[in-house]
Amino acid sequence: KAGVTQTPRYLIKTRGQQVTLSCSPISGHRSVSWYQQTPGQGLQFLFEYFSETQRNKGNFPGRFSGRQFSNSRSEMNVSTLELGDSALYLCASTLQGANTGELFFGEGSRLTVL
Amino acid sequence: GQQLNQSPQSMFIQEGEDVSMNCTSSSIFNTWLWYKQEPGEGPVLLIALYKAGELTSNGRLTAQFGITRKDSFLNISASIPSDVGIYFCAGQSPGGSQGNLIFGKGTKLSVKP
Repeated sequence: KAGVTQTPRYLIKTRGQQVTLSCSPISGHRSVSWYQQTPGQGLQFLFEYFSETQRNKGNFPGRFSGRQFSNSRSEMNVSTLELGDSALYLCASTLQGANTGELFFGEGSRLTVL
Repeated sequence: GQQLNQSPQSMFIQEGEDVSMNCTSSSIFNTWLWYKQEPGEGPVLLIALYKAGELTSNGRLTAQFGITRKDSFLNISASIPSDVGIYFCAGQSPGGSQGNLIFGKGTKLSVKP
């Protein structure tokens, strides 16, 4: 069974640019969550999607947005990039109805903002 | 917002030793989980706890959900080199959605053969 797939794995952007990251969940998983991981703040929840609807959102500015498609694939977008947006962005999927917290993470997309 | 205090931040131990790490919170959680992350990988779920007082084992790993619902610990017995990684506790607060977890800052474990 294929795991959670995130693309791209690595990318470098400059301040002011925007970026789109993609996540394909495990087959059959309809819930997708996104996390930002930095050395200073650790893992922080960005948002969660289920059935193309945003179910929950973390405490991040409006520059961070996301969406989910009918095939459960998800994208997140960060506009007007800042240096502090440099981080590992992790996507996780879960089977709806599964016990809470049993997230399956991808390997992440490492974003560097110069 | 809610925070989890995880300790210790790092541990450097000899192979064969037992390891203990814990997480505390000022507020209660409905679920406590322990994840492990290795370099270049995403976190992987090790143990999930759903009831206060619950004690669960997964091989050499044992974790407990504190009675107050504000803490949890993870023990690793007879450590081996492949135990190296960062261990994260995570909690789901009452009313929180399925994929919305609060993570501790992690315990970095190094094992000397």
